[in-house]
Amino acid sequence: AQSVTQLGSHVSVSEGALVLLRCNYSSSVPPYLFWYVQYPNQGLQLLLKYTSAATLVKGINGFEAEFKKSETSFHLTKPSAHMSDAAEYFCAVGRGSSASKIIFGSGTRLSIRP
Amino acid sequence: GAGVSQSPSNKVTEKGKDVELRCDPISGHTALYWYRQRLGQGLEFLIYFQGNSAPDKSGLPSDRFSAERTGESVSTLTIQRTQQEDSAVYLCASSSQAGGSTGELFFGEGSRLTVL
Repeated sequence: AQSVTQLGSHVSVSEGALVLLRCNYSSSVPPYLFWYVQYPNQGLQLLLKYTSAATLVKGINGFEAEFKKSETSFHLTKPSAHMSDAAEYFCAVGRGSSASKIIFGSGTRLSIRP
Repeated sequence: GAGVSQSPSNKVTEKGKDVELRCDPISGHTALYWYRQRLGQGLEFLIYFQGNSAPDKSGLPSDRFSAERTGESVSTLTIQRTQQEDSAVYLCASSSQAGGSTGELFFGEGSRLTVL
């Protein structure tokens, strides 16, 4: 069965510092992988998605994620954190015959220190 | 409408009462999902509808939970004999195709359920 594990329920970085949010998946077949973001008092929105076209995926707001099959990882990064990046971030994987069942990780809350 | 619409946005009920939560997906979206998000926790998959196929109900936590969808339109999530542990935000999402292939999930703002 496919699932995702997010390491660290809370990550705090200084403004301008590197952001690294970790996600590992378990899958016996190449998965579809996603990162979603939930800003305070807003609904979830897609940040980026991996669908096997390229291992390095670029998303909105300067975020990117790299699919590493050898490490079964799909970590999210951003070179320089901005105060507006403070939010909850969820990694997700598509399961099922057409990867249609989307399973989310437990989430990582990102805080930005001035 | 322009986005996924959920109602009510807030619902306070007494333990043992039944509640209905409604989701209006984006027009033309064939896939519809329900998730539960307890305070401080991640999204818990409940149920998935895709077109006229049988729904995937594998995430429903008990037989007190049920959901229906009429064609490719509105969906209703019903919780019978509510318990305090049912308190959560219930999120609905829709997608133009099977979400895991290339489709993106579009989420509503959720229905916050509080069971006293």
